[in-house]
Amino acid sequence: KAGVTQTPRYLIKTRGQQVTLSCSPISGHRSVSWYQQTPGQGLQFLFEYFSETQRNKGNFPGRFSGRQFSNSRSEMNVSTLELGDSALYLCASRDAAEAFFGQGTRLTVV
Amino acid sequence: GQQLNQSPQSMFIQEGEDVSMNCTSSSIFNTWLWYKQDPGEGPVLLIALYKAGELTSNGRLTAQFGITRKDSFLNISASIPSDVGIYFCAGQLHGGSQGNLIFGKGTKLSVKP
Repeated sequence: KAGVTQTPRYLIKTRGQQVTLSCSPISGHRSVSWYQQTPGQGLQFLFEYFSETQRNKGNFPGRFSGRQFSNSRSEMNVSTLELGDSALYLCASRDAAEAFFGQGTRLTVV
Repeated sequence: GQQLNQSPQSMFIQEGEDVSMNCTSSSIFNTWLWYKQDPGEGPVLLIALYKAGELTSNGRLTAQFGITRKDSFLNISASIPSDVGIYFCAGQLHGGSQGNLIFGKGTKLSVKP
């Protein structure tokens, strides 16, 4: 069974731009969660999607948004990028309590 | 909101030594998970715990779900250089796939050969 796939692996964007990250979960998993990881803050929960509906949301500004498609693939969008948005963005796929992570997308905002 | 306190923040040990780290919470959790993350990669699930008092092993790793359901520990026996990485605990308040996981800030393990 293929694991969680995140694309792209690396991104460099300029302040003010927007970015879209993609996540393909493990086949059969309907829950996809997104996390932001920075050295100072650890793993911070962004949001979770289940069957195309946002089920949980963390404490992030509205510039961070997401969606999930009927095939369970998910996208995360960040608008009006700030320097502080530089981080490793991780996607996790679940069908029970256990979450399986992708390799992440390293976003650098300059 | 809920927080997990993971300790120690970092450890620098000799190869062959045993390692112990733990997580505590002010909330009761239904599930505890332990992950390891290598540089530049996503966290990899090591052990999952579902019942208070449960003790589970995965090779040289052993983890326990605390009786109070507010804590968990992870032990690594006879450490080797490839154990280097950051270990995270994660707790979930609800059962199944309901509810987000809350992560500790990690324990960075360094092993001296």
